[in-house]
Amino acid sequence: GENVEQHPSTLSVQEGDSAVIKCTYSDSASNYFPWYKQELGKGPQLIIDIRSNVGEKKDQRIAVTLNKTAKHFSLHITETQPEDSAVYFCAQEDVRGGGADGLTFGKGTHLIIQP
Amino acid sequence: GAGVSQSPSNKVTEKGKDVELRCDPISGHTALYWYRQRLGQGLEFLIYFQGNSAPDKSGLPSDRFSAERTGESVSTLTIQRTQQEDSAVYLCASSYDIGAYGYTFGSGTRLTVV
Repeated sequence: GENVEQHPSTLSVQEGDSAVIKCTYSDSASNYFPWYKQELGKGPQLIIDIRSNVGEKKDQRIAVTLNKTAKHFSLHITETQPEDSAVYFCAQEDVRGGGADGLTFGKGTHLIIQP
Repeated sequence: GAGVSQSPSNKVTEKGKDVELRCDPISGHTALYWYRQRLGQGLEFLIYFQGNSAPDKSGLPSDRFSAERTGESVSTLTIQRTQQEDSAVYLCASSYDIGAYGYTFGSGTRLTVV
């Protein structure tokens, strides 16, 4: 079945620096890769996603890159701010299957922005 | 409503009791998902509903877990004879359709079995 490995489990960066979180997946049929941000006491919130026909996508300070050959994708946050502190989850889905198993999530990265 | 609403937000129950968790999806969203999140862990898929199709129950951890959804509206997740290992946050999400549309999650129900 699908499997998603996410690293690191915890990441501490200085405010203003960049943060990178990486995920690898096993299912070569995966073609949809969203990233979610979860703040304490809240549900995960979709922050950016990418489909397999695109190698990179940007939205202001957030970008996601996808390497289908190597089966890995990464979240990049530039100019980090205190409000970026949260747990980030990567996920993947083989949409040809109609999402029958839902998204498969990584175990999460706790991002800490040091003032 | 504007978002996915879950109730109750917190539930403490005694071991062996049954509990029912409720999810109100975003109006017009045909797909609804339930996930379980144990403390400090990722999200574990439980079940999903798509329109009037039979639900995919492949993620339910045991026969003590069941879920229902009426049409494209409210869903309930029922856990019978609760055990301490059922303690977790139960998250509901809905999306416009299955596949590649992104999910909108509710804030979850924190279940504590004592």
